[in-house]
Amino acid sequence: DADVTQTPRNRITKTGKRIMLECSQTKGHDRMYWYRQDPGLGLQLIYYSFDVKDINKGEISDGYSVSRQAQAKFSLSLESAIPNQTALYFCATSDNSPLHFGNGTRLTVT
Amino acid sequence: AQTVTQSQPEMSVQEAETVTLSCTYDTSESDYYLFWYKQPPSRQMILVIRQEAYKQQNATENRFSVNFQKAAKSFSLKISDSQLGDAAMYFCAYRSARLVGGGADGLTFGKGTHLIIQP
Repeated sequence: DADVTQTPRNRITKTGKRIMLECSQTKGHDRMYWYRQDPGLGLQLIYYSFDVKDINKGEISDGYSVSRQAQAKFSLSLESAIPNQTALYFCATSDNSPLHFGNGTRLTVT
Repeated sequence: AQTVTQSQPEMSVQEAETVTLSCTYDTSESDYYLFWYKQPPSRQMILVIRQEAYKQQNATENRFSVNFQKAAKSFSLKISDSQLGDAAMYFCAYRSARLVGGGADGLTFGKGTHLIIQP
């Protein structure tokens, strides 16, 4: 089983819909992250969390919200999806040094 | 804020040859980590190699090695004996070592280099 699991793997939704992307981990790490990947732009940080009570905005948080339900769960929400939020979304965890990534959720907003 | 620059959007190399991917970064910190991640078409993000800034010795992992030049803020990846399975996007990434007490966290990524392996 994967250490960092993202669901769904792919999702197509319509403009204006609310959508939640979920992430769970079995690595026991306190730190969790949500990144967005667009072609030619690398990965950009949306939100990160040091623990259940500590959530921080990243460089591109507008239009997104997160919830850290437990140490092992960190979800990303789009309250009202728009087409330019079409992207590949990654969840990651960390203890000290490298980040460990899930397999990504490809989101398409039509 | 830190920035990471990969100046080669795409590189091509013959199978079994050696290729070097470039990365430069900008930071005012003295203690940090640098990474190379590989993203094959399966879209997984796979850690290839990492370097702690306080270590002068360049990291190596089998066919992968880095040339870390701290003063020049350069961190290139050398892939020896290239294989078809090396074809992927490669991302250089920076992370501050100041992980205690909050503050900004996470990796700062370059925009990536698409590596093509010619059979």
